[in-house]
Amino acid sequence: GAVVSQHPSWVICKSGTSVKIECRSLDFQATTMFWYRQFPKQSLMLMATSNEGSKATYEQGVEKDKFLINHASLTLSTLTVTSAHPEDSSFYICSASASASGLEETQYFGPGTRLLVL
Amino acid sequence: LAKTTQPISMDSYEGQEVNITCSHNNIATNDYITWYQQFPSQGPRFIIQGYKTKVTNEVASLFIPADRKSSTLSLPRVSLSDTAVYYCLSAYNQGGKLIFGQGTELSVKP
Repeated sequence: GAVVSQHPSWVICKSGTSVKIECRSLDFQATTMFWYRQFPKQSLMLMATSNEGSKATYEQGVEKDKFLINHASLTLSTLTVTSAHPEDSSFYICSASASASGLEETQYFGPGTRLLVL
Repeated sequence: LAKTTQPISMDSYEGQEVNITCSHNNIATNDYITWYQQFPSQGPRFIIQGYKTKVTNEVASLFIPADRKSSTLSLPRVSLSDTAVYYCLSAYNQGGKLIFGQGTELSVKP
């Protein structure tokens, strides 16, 4: 199956700093990538959808100025958590899909990035 | 939005067949049904996807009745390593967004 990688796998940062997480599709071109957040013992929550070359679409309640998403190429999307605070500590997971809308295509997930903000 | 409903948890023993049923009463015509497996601190792993009838791959089978209002994931002869959370999802007919429900926490015992 298709492989999606994330970097870093875990990160610890001080409150107020910004953290960038990379999501790469290694063996296919991903026109659409999705970013999720997962708190302990909870399900995945979709944060935003990004299409290559266009602005990301954020889910209701997700601050676009705090969670900056860039999808500059067909194999790379980045999520930047700006001015991180302890409540942003979570497990961030990306997924990639090969179709422009994600319809009828399988989404493949990255291994996740554990963020701890002190 | 095609909301899915599945049992919160299930217990099984090694070697048994496990069937997890998911309800999706409002599934749209263009929606596919996809199942994922997730281990703690890992991203979900694709298991199987289908539209109707039966789909089988090397790890599981997916049964979807004609009305498509439900689906059943069948795991043959489970092992301890199959202990995980299993998510049933129905893709939007536009945009392909996946909205995760709470999933089914499967516990396989020796």
